[in-house]
Amino acid sequence: GENVEQHPSTLSVQEGDSAVIKCTYSDSASNYFPWYKQELGKRPQLIIDIRSNVGEKKDQRIAVTLNKTAKHFSLHITETQPEDSAVYFCAASTKIIFGKGTRLHILP
Amino acid sequence: GAVVSQHPSWVICKSGTSVKIECRSLDFQATTMFWYRQFPKQSLMLMATSNEGSKATYEQGVEKDKFLINHASLTLSTLTVTSAHPEDSSFYICSARDGQGHTDTQYFGPGTRLTVL
Repeated sequence: GENVEQHPSTLSVQEGDSAVIKCTYSDSASNYFPWYKQELGKRPQLIIDIRSNVGEKKDQRIAVTLNKTAKHFSLHITETQPEDSAVYFCAASTKIIFGKGTRLHILP
Repeated sequence: GAVVSQHPSWVICKSGTSVKIECRSLDFQATTMFWYRQFPKQSLMLMATSNEGSKATYEQGVEKDKFLINHASLTLSTLTVTSAHPEDSSFYICSARDGQGHTDTQYFGPGTRLTVL
């Protein structure tokens, strides 16, 4: 089955700087890669997703890149703001298998 | 966007009792629903895939006789934790995939926090 690895597990960046979170997956048949943001005690919220026929997708300050050959995809957050502090999960495949998550801290 | 609800939002029960959690898709038909469990400061772990009108598919290591899943309609799936024990205390989250759309997007419920005393 699919196995998703995510790193780093914790990331601290200065407000205004960029944050990058990386994930790798094992199943070459996976064709859907969503990213979720989860705040404490709440449900995961989809923030951006990408499909295997696209290499990059951008939505305002958030972008995702996908390298199918290397089987890795990344989340990029630019101009980080305090409200970006949360746990971020990558996932792969139609039966969404989550990475272990990255706790992002935005430092004032 | 699509809405998925869960009931109850939290439950406290005694060890040995059974607890039923409902997951509903409110404005779309969900042929497939997923049940996840999340322990504190950990990721969501997929427990099982629930398909309307058929048996659920359980992930490796998940006891199907302990976690009973029923998906009797296109808008409702239930998870019953049987003979619950303190180690079953966790945050249980369901998600539903829109069966009518041509998308893989899954919509998550708000979660149910189970505490077994």
